[in-house]
Amino acid sequence: DVKVTQSSRYLVKRTGEKVFLECVQDMDHENMFWYRQDPGLGLRLIYFSYDVKMKEKGDIPEGYSVSREKKERFSLILESASTNQTSMYLCASNAGPFNQPQHFGDGTRLSIL
Amino acid sequence: AQSVTQPDIHITVSEGASLELRCNYSYGATPYLFWYVQSPGQGLQLLLKYFSGDTLVQGIKGFEAEFKRSQSSFNLRKPSVHWSDAAEYFCAVGDFGNEKLTFGTGTRLTIIP
Repeated sequence: DVKVTQSSRYLVKRTGEKVFLECVQDMDHENMFWYRQDPGLGLRLIYFSYDVKMKEKGDIPEGYSVSREKKERFSLILESASTNQTSMYLCASNAGPFNQPQHFGDGTRLSIL
Repeated sequence: AQSVTQPDIHITVSEGASLELRCNYSYGATPYLFWYVQSPGQGLQLLLKYFSGDTLVQGIKGFEAEFKRSQSSFNLRKPSVHWSDAAEYFCAVGDFGNEKLTFGTGTRLTIIP
């Protein structure tokens, strides 16, 4: 069974801090994704990566960056956290190409104070 | 650009009753279509997917969905719901040209005894 593991379930940080959210998958998937989920807005794609060191912007990349140094790990970075980045963050992975189903982690609920 | 509309924010159904959750999509060609379910505090789990072929798709947990090109719809159905089906349900459309998924805003399902 595919396992996508997000390092923290809950995280509280302060405005202006640099925040790292980590995601690891164990199925050798090529593609990895970061979403944020907000009530009434569904899931919105922040960034995705289709290979090591490769990344593409999603629909809402502003204020975020990503890193993929190893195939199994995809990190989301908030360079200077702001209160409007308080949200649920979901990581996913799939085997490319052609939109194979994405497998999701359990999410990180991030609060920025 | 592709888009997904889930017109029902919240639906309440009695246990044992039938269920239909609506999903309408906008996409220029034959889409990849998915239904995911999210239980409280969890990530998303794939219920079923449509890529091509038979327009009636069977999924896990007794769910099915029907692709209707003429109506741009992909509604999710279940003949008899169980209390454990209470969750949030997301419809998503995939783009053939890349790996991006566009999600609807979700429908929250409540089951009453």
